[in-house]
Amino acid sequence: GAVVSQHPSRVICKSGTSVKIECRSLDFQATTMFWYRQFPKQSLMLMATSNEGSKATYEQGVEKDKFLINHASLTLSTLTVTSAHPEDSSFYICSASRGVAGTEAFFGQGTRLTVV
Amino acid sequence: GNSVTQMEGPVTLSEEAFLTINCTYTATGYPSLFWYVQYPGEGLQLLLKATKADDKGSNKGFEATYRKETTSFHLEKGSVQVSDSAVYFCALSFYGSGNTGKLIFGQGTTLQVKP
Repeated sequence: GAVVSQHPSRVICKSGTSVKIECRSLDFQATTMFWYRQFPKQSLMLMATSNEGSKATYEQGVEKDKFLINHASLTLSTLTVTSAHPEDSSFYICSASRGVAGTEAFFGQGTRLTVV
Repeated sequence: GNSVTQMEGPVTLSEEAFLTINCTYTATGYPSLFWYVQYPGEGLQLLLKATKADDKGSNKGFEATYRKETTSFHLEKGSVQVSDSAVYFCALSFYGSGNTGKLIFGQGTTLQVKP
């Protein structure tokens, strides 16, 4: 299967700072990437969908100014958590798809963010 | 709204035991259903899928049948191994028969298999 690499796997940051998480498709071109978030003992929740070269589409209730998503190339999408607060501490995971209907999306390993 | 509910874990079994992880869904329309597995330190991997009622997905000894009448997609395996220890996620999607973009996930069930 295709490989999606997410970096970093774990990050600790101070409250008020910004953190960038990268999601790379290593062996295919990802037209569409998805960002999910998981709170402890809860479901993975879709935050936003990004298409290469266009603005991300955010799910209801997700602050687009706080969670900045950039998908500037066919192999890289980034999620930046701006002015992080302890309540942003969570598990963030991306998936990448070729974007063709009926194709599988492949997941990265996830990033554990802790804001102190 | 659309949602997925899984049985709570952790589920702890001895090697060669029978596994069932329950999954039920609520959906408007006819979703595709999926089971994902996440091994420690790795990303989610698609384990199996079913795209219409009565379909059975199977892979690596795992099976799940799309039951429209009970809105369920329970995961089963006849004989688990230590290497099956992982977190299992049930999910649904409305975007095409195999498209796994925009998934709605259950909360995940941790399986621990002891030798």
